[in-house]
Amino acid sequence: AQSVTQLGSHVSVSEGALVLLRCNYSSSVPPYLFWYVQYPNQGLQLLLKYTTGATLVKGINGFEAEFKKSETSFHLTKPSAHMSDAAEYFCAVSDGSSNTGKLIFGQGTTLQVKP
Amino acid sequence: IAGITQAPTSQILAAGRRMTLRCTQDMRHNAMYWYRQDLGLGLRLIHYSNTAGTTGKGEVPDGYSVSRANTDDFPLTLASAVPSQTSVYFCASSEDRGQPQHFGDGTRLSIL
Repeated sequence: AQSVTQLGSHVSVSEGALVLLRCNYSSSVPPYLFWYVQYPNQGLQLLLKYTTGATLVKGINGFEAEFKKSETSFHLTKPSAHMSDAAEYFCAVSDGSSNTGKLIFGQGTTLQVKP
Repeated sequence: IAGITQAPTSQILAAGRRMTLRCTQDMRHNAMYWYRQDLGLGLRLIHYSNTAGTTGKGEVPDGYSVSRANTDDFPLTLASAVPSQTSVYFCASSEDRGQPQHFGDGTRLSIL
């Protein structure tokens, strides 16, 4: 069975500081990995994805994530936080070979950006 | 603007009542999904459909049913609502299974 663990339900950084949101996954097959962002009262928006190929993937709004198979991790980073980055972030894994294609989500990390 | 439309945006419902949440997409995606989002639990899959005419059960299907008569529409029905079904419900779609999913803005449902 697949699972996703996001370390830290709440992360607080100062504006301009590095953002690091941690995600570890469990999967018996090569995973497809995703990061989504959710702003208040909105649906989830895709930030970036890893399916195959280059392990460092770049997404929207200056975010990037690195797939590390040996560590079963897919941490999300951004060099310099903006106030507009305050939101909830979800890591998700999809078994591309399964019949459902469903996403298994982590519990989410709320990012607070302080001025 | 292409995307997913969910209706209603919010609803308060008496326990025991029947309710259908609507979801329509205009991207001609094959796969569609219904999730519920609860505090501390993230999003959990209720039902899915890989293509029109087929549906499947997700992690938490009990008390819910879906249909997929055509590509665009994927309604979710609560036959007899219970308070534990109070949640925010999100519909999503993807070109194919395993591909990134696009989400609607959600339906906030309260069962009293």
